[in-house]
Amino acid sequence: DAGVTQSPTHLIKTRGQQVTLRCSPKSGHDTVSWYQQALGQGPQFIFQYYEEEERQRGNFPDRFSGHQFPNYSSELNVNALLLGDSALYLCASSLFSPSGANVLTFGAGSRLTVL
Amino acid sequence: GESVGLHLPTLSVQEGDNSIINCAYSNSASDYFIWYKQESGKGPQFIIDIRSNMDKRQGQRVTVLLNKTVKHLSLQIAATQPGDSAVYFCAENVLRTDSWGKLQFGAGTQVVVTP
Repeated sequence: DAGVTQSPTHLIKTRGQQVTLRCSPKSGHDTVSWYQQALGQGPQFIFQYYEEEERQRGNFPDRFSGHQFPNYSSELNVNALLLGDSALYLCASSLFSPSGANVLTFGAGSRLTVL
Repeated sequence: GESVGLHLPTLSVQEGDNSIINCAYSNSASDYFIWYKQESGKGPQFIIDIRSNMDKRQGQRVTVLLNKTVKHLSLQIAATQPGDSAVYFCAENVLRTDSWGKLQFGAGTQVVVTP
């Protein structure tokens, strides 16, 4: 049973460029969340998608956008990259729970380096 | 609340001993708490969760304690093994519609198991 898969695993971009990261959720999951993890810190919530809509958003600028497809997979797009965007980007999937207490399954992440 | 952790605290434990990892959470409105383990090069892995209507929950070799009065969470690992070496994060969430799924992670604790 494949868990959460993310691609690419590593990538290098230069300032001002744009990047797209991809995520396939765990089989049976319908909700995808994205987190940014800077080196030596805990993950920071970016946003969450359910039923192809952004349902929740953290304190990230509009340069960060996303999409969820009918097959529940998701993309994270970051425009006008800054040096400070260098981080590990984690995708997490879950099965929607009305209580909100849903257990997240994380992927291994996409390591983005901005030069 | 903010979780800032530029200098990751480290807990050194001898193999076979019990480990206690502490976490002070920030939001008094949080009512759902989760512990994650992150090994090098991997995404966070769910360990155990607890809701605010409980003060203790046990899993396999792990126990989570919650003290809402002082906003403190702890994870106890019994008979620590080399495979327990990782960074451990606590995360908090408010189970209401506008916060659903928005986990707030702590800075993390590095656990090093020595033979």
